Amino acid sequence: NAGVTQTPKFRVLKTGQSMTLLCAQDMNHEYMYWYRQDPGMGLRLIHYSVGEGTTAKGEVPDGYNVSRLKKQNFLLGLESAAPSQTSVYFCASSYERPRGPYEQYFGPGTRLTVT
Amino acid sequence: KNQVEQSPQSLIILEGKNCTLQCNYTVSPFSNLRWYKQDTGRGPVSLTIMTFSENTKSNGRYTATLDADTKQSSLHITASQLSDSASYICVVSLNNNDMRFGAGTRLTVKP
Repeated sequence: NAGVTQTPKFRVLKTGQSMTLLCAQDMNHEYMYWYRQDPGMGLRLIHYSVGEGTTAKGEVPDGYNVSRLKKQNFLLGLESAAPSQTSVYFCASSYERPRGPYEQYFGPGTRLTVT
Repeated sequence: KNQVEQSPQSLIILEGKNCTLQCNYTVSPFSNLRWYKQDTGRGPVSLTIMTFSENTKSNGRYTATLDADTKQSSLHITASQLSDSASYICVVSLNNNDMRFGAGTRLTVKP
């Protein structure tokens, strides 16, 4: 049981390049999330999904797109990377909604630098 | 202004000592409050989840308290170990499923 995995672990992009971050979970969770973590700030929600084929915007969605074609996978795309997107990205999953006392499991993170 | 404020920002203690981390929040309507531990270079790991009706919950040497009236929570670590060195993050979940994360307290335990 690997939990939540993320690929890649590190990536350096040039401004304007595109890339996709992959998140996979093997816990059969309905809910999946993408966050970014910047120094001195709390994690901020980019996009989330409440089930296969569904996605929704979070607090900071601009510049990102997501897809959930399979229940176990949640992809985060950057179409045209900008230096402001330099951050550590975390994927998470949970069995049920956050308003319930359900554990949210996080992946190990992807450190992205945009030059 | 962050609606979940944690203090102190950083803390250094000696191994074996106790410490208490604070979390004050202004967001509502409150559903539950979580404390996470985040080791350097890793994702957060859940320590405790408390609902409105719970005012204390323990997980080994970690004890979280919640006062929903004053909107304050604390995380008490007993008999600290070197492995407790990490960031501790307070998260408030709202009834609309929003989650608001604090910026965290960076704890360093020295031998």
